[in-house]
Amino acid sequence: AQSVTQLDSQVPVFEEAPVELRCNYSSSVSVYLFWYVQYPNQGLQLLLKYLSGSTLVESINGFEAEFNKSQTSFHLRKPSVHISDTAEYFCAVSDFSGGYNKLIFGAGTRLAVHP
Amino acid sequence: NAGVTQTPKFRVLKTGQSMTLLCAQDMNHEYMYWYRQDPGMGLRLIHYSVGEGTTAKGEVPDGYNVSRLKKQNFLLGLESAAPSQTSVYFCASRRGTQETQYFGPGTRLLVL
Repeated sequence: AQSVTQLDSQVPVFEEAPVELRCNYSSSVSVYLFWYVQYPNQGLQLLLKYLSGSTLVESINGFEAEFNKSQTSFHLRKPSVHISDTAEYFCAVSDFSGGYNKLIFGAGTRLAVHP
Repeated sequence: NAGVTQTPKFRVLKTGQSMTLLCAQDMNHEYMYWYRQDPGMGLRLIHYSVGEGTTAKGEVPDGYNVSRLKKQNFLLGLESAAPSQTSVYFCASRRGTQETQYFGPGTRLLVL
């Protein structure tokens, strides 16, 4: 079965600075990868996903993630963060073991953007 | 189009009490899921359903039951609540031909 490791539980950063949230998954077989964002007291929203094709995927609000099969990573980056990016970010990988399709989530990374 | 909704938003129970959480989706999705979210542990799958009338166990099913009598609704039941079930519960749904899951706003449950 798949597992997901988010290497940082908290990432503090100043506004307009670049940020990278790291995510590694356990298996090198074909996978679907996702980043979800959870703003305070809200549910999870899909930020971006990799299903196939180009290894670099982008969101509408400036985030991007690169699928690296050899390193089994799917790190999330943004060149310049805003206060409004303060949220918890979850990396997830699809898992097809056990006879059904499910998502395996990492423990989450709390991004705190400071003025 | 409301997407995925959850009822109630917040609930306090005493140990041993029972309750049902309701999830509803208006996107005609085949698959529905119940997760719990605990600090430092991400989301863990409790039960899921691949269609009306079908349910199956996920990663942490003990102490919970589910039913999917209608395609748009997925109910999560706690027959005898325990403090260990204090958590935030999220429902999600997805179309059978797509991989993206859509989440509800969550239900905060406190068991005393």
